[in-house]
Amino acid sequence: ETGVTQTPRHLVMGMTNKKSLKCEQHLGHNAMYWYKQSAKKPLELMFVYNFKEQTENNSVPSRFSPECPNSSHLFLHLHTLQPEDSALYLCASSQEGQGWGYTFGSGTRLTVV
Amino acid sequence: GNSVTQMEGPVTLSEEAFLTINCTYTATGYPSLFWYVQYPGEGLQLLLKATKADDKGSNKGFEATYRKETTSFHLEKGSVQVSDSAVYFCALSSPNRDDKIIFGKGTRLHILP
Repeated sequence: ETGVTQTPRHLVMGMTNKKSLKCEQHLGHNAMYWYKQSAKKPLELMFVYNFKEQTENNSVPSRFSPECPNSSHLFLHLHTLQPEDSALYLCASSQEGQGWGYTFGSGTRLTVV
Repeated sequence: GNSVTQMEGPVTLSEEAFLTINCTYTATGYPSLFWYVQYPGEGLQLLLKATKADDKGSNKGFEATYRKETTSFHLEKGSVQVSDSAVYFCALSSPNRDDKIIFGKGTRLHILP
C-alpha cells in the first residue's frame, strides 16, 4: 500500500461507546496530523505529531485522545462523544523541511448517536 | 500571522465555462502556496503548488501563478467539466513555521452539464 490509509471509512457510535480511528502512512514522513471537518466549517487542526512527539494540541476536548506509537501510525481514541462531534476526521502526513505539503487520507466519517 | 482568504462559494458554472477561484494570502517570509481539491466523500488531494514568486503550478488543466506583488494565487481553468465539481482549498506553508500549512475555508464548485 502507498499513501495515507485511514480505517474505518465510516463509524457510527453511541455517546457511551469507546472507539478508535486508525491512520497509517507508507511515505516515510516524519509528521502526522489529525483534522476535523464539520459541515459548513473550516478545517480544524486537532493534533500534530513530529517524530512521534505531540507538538500541538489545539484545545481539543479530552474525550479525544491521540496516540502515535511510531512515525508511521497515528490513532485517535474516542470516548463519551457528543452528537456535535459527528464529522469527517482526516489524517495527514508530511516531511517537515521539504515544503511539499501534506498528504491526506480519505477520512473517517463519524456519526455519534 | 499567516492567513489565507479565498472567495466564498458555492460557485456554479456550466460545463466548458472558464473558472477563476480567487485566493489571497498574508504571510511573513516566502511561503509555498498550494491548491488542494476534495471530491465528495474523499480527503483532500494536492492539485498544484508553487514555491516561489512567478512560479506557475499546473495540473489536470488547472493553473495558478504565485503573484508576490498582489499576494495572490488564483486558480484558473479554461474549460471545466462536471467531474471538476468539488471543494477547492487554497493553502500556504511557511518555511519559518516548520512548514505548517494554513488552509483557506474552501470554495465549493458545482458544474452543470
